[in-house]
Amino acid sequence: NAGVMQNPRHLVRRRGQEARLRCSPMKGHSHVYWYRQLPEEGLKFMVYLQKENIIDESGMPKERFSAEFPKEGPSILRIQQVVRGDSAAYFCASSPNLRDGINEQFFGPGTRLTVL
Amino acid sequence: AQKITQTQPGMFVQEKEAVTLDCTYDTSDPSYGLFWYKQPSSGEMIFLIYQGSYDQQNATEGRYSLNFQKARKSANLVISASQLGDSAMYFCAMREISTGANSKLTFGKGITLSVRP
Repeated sequence: NAGVMQNPRHLVRRRGQEARLRCSPMKGHSHVYWYRQLPEEGLKFMVYLQKENIIDESGMPKERFSAEFPKEGPSILRIQQVVRGDSAAYFCASSPNLRDGINEQFFGPGTRLTVL
Repeated sequence: AQKITQTQPGMFVQEKEAVTLDCTYDTSDPSYGLFWYKQPSSGEMIFLIYQGSYDQQNATEGRYSLNFQKARKSANLVISASQLGDSAMYFCAMREISTGANSKLTFGKGITLSVRP
C-alpha cells in the first residue's frame, strides 16, 4: 500500500505566477488535509476535504488560495499570484474513515515551494 | 491561546541515554488525542506515538513512551536508548474529538533533538 504521494517535491515560482500542488492519499483514504510549515515553525492547518467536499477551511487564507478533492484524481492546492511569503513546505495528510474514534493522519513527503 | 506548547530549547542527549521532550496542551474538550511526530532533516513527517484522553495506560511504541499526566495537561515523549538517527525535530500535536473524529491536528512549534556519539 503506497503512502501519501505529493508532487512536485520542489517547486520554484516567480512572484505573480500560480502554484499547483498535488496530493494522492493512501488507498482507501477519503479524508485529505493540507498543512503549511514556515521555516522554524510547526505545521499549521489549512484545509480539510472529503471527496468533492470542503469540510473545514478555517486555516485557508481568504484570498489567492483554493483547494479541491475531486471524485477522480488527486487533491489540488492552488495558490494564485504567489508572493514571497508563500514560500514554505506544504504537507498533505490523509486518514481513513472513522475507526475507534481516533484516526491517525499519514503525511506525504511535502512540497517545498520557493517564490523568487 | 496556544493549544500546544513546546518551549524547550534545542535538546542534546548522549547516545544510549534516555531523553524527555516536553509538551503541554490546552483544551476544554473532554475527548482528545495526542500525537508525536518526528521530522528528520530530510523533511518528512513520521508518526511516532498516540495517546487518547481516555486511555488508562501510558502509550508505548518500542523505544518511545508517552508520559501522560492528564491533570497537568502534559504529554511528554520519552525516548529510551537514544540513537544517532533520533536526531531530528519532534512535534507534539492534538486533535479535539468533539469537532469531529477526522478533525484537524494542531501542532506545537517543535523541539530539536541532537544525539551526541
